[in-house]
Amino acid sequence: DAGVIQSPRHEVTEMGQEVTLRCKPISGHNSLFWYRQTMMRGLELLIYFNNNVPIDDSGMPEDRFSAKMPNASFSTLKIQPSEPRDSAVYFCASSSGTSGGDSSYEQYFGPGTRLTVT
Amino acid sequence: DQQVKQNSPSLSVQEGRISILNCDYTNSMFDYFLWYKKYPAEGPTFLISISSIKDKNEDGRFTVFLNKSAKHLSLHIVPSQPGDSAVYFCAASAGTYKYIFGTGTRLKVLA
Repeated sequence: DAGVIQSPRHEVTEMGQEVTLRCKPISGHNSLFWYRQTMMRGLELLIYFNNNVPIDDSGMPEDRFSAKMPNASFSTLKIQPSEPRDSAVYFCASSSGTSGGDSSYEQYFGPGTRLTVT
Repeated sequence: DQQVKQNSPSLSVQEGRISILNCDYTNSMFDYFLWYKKYPAEGPTFLISISSIKDKNEDGRFTVFLNKSAKHLSLHIVPSQPGDSAVYFCAASAGTYKYIFGTGTRLKVLA
């Protein structure tokens, strides 16, 4: 049974370039989360989708970041243009929670994408 | 403004002994707390959780204690095993999907 799938696993790019991270949630899960992990701030929620609809994007750091979920099995996180301070590990997670949210629905994380912007 | 704090970035424990990982929070609205474990090059995986109506939850070698008055929770691992070496994240929620994570504690269990 496949878990959350993320690609690429590693991305190295130059400042100013566009970066697209991809995620395939667990089949049947209707909630999807994008997180960013840094040493200083730990895991931060960037955006939350429920039934493919963005519910909470308050964690998206700035307009350079955008996320889409065109269908239940695919989501992208795009950074354009990328900057060195965007270097981090980006995780996608999915769960079977409701739109209103229920913390008891476990979030399953993908392996992450390590982004390095030089 | 870190609402969930893990003040010890790392911890080393001898195999067979108890590991105690600590977590403090500031938001009194948090009512659900979780611990996730993360191995290198993998995503975090759920370990154990506790609701604010309880003060203890146990699952095998893992026990989470919650002290609401002190806004403190801890994870006890007894006995510690080398396979427990990982980064442990504490997380809290105010009854919704939104988990607030700490910065993690790296546990090393020495054989």
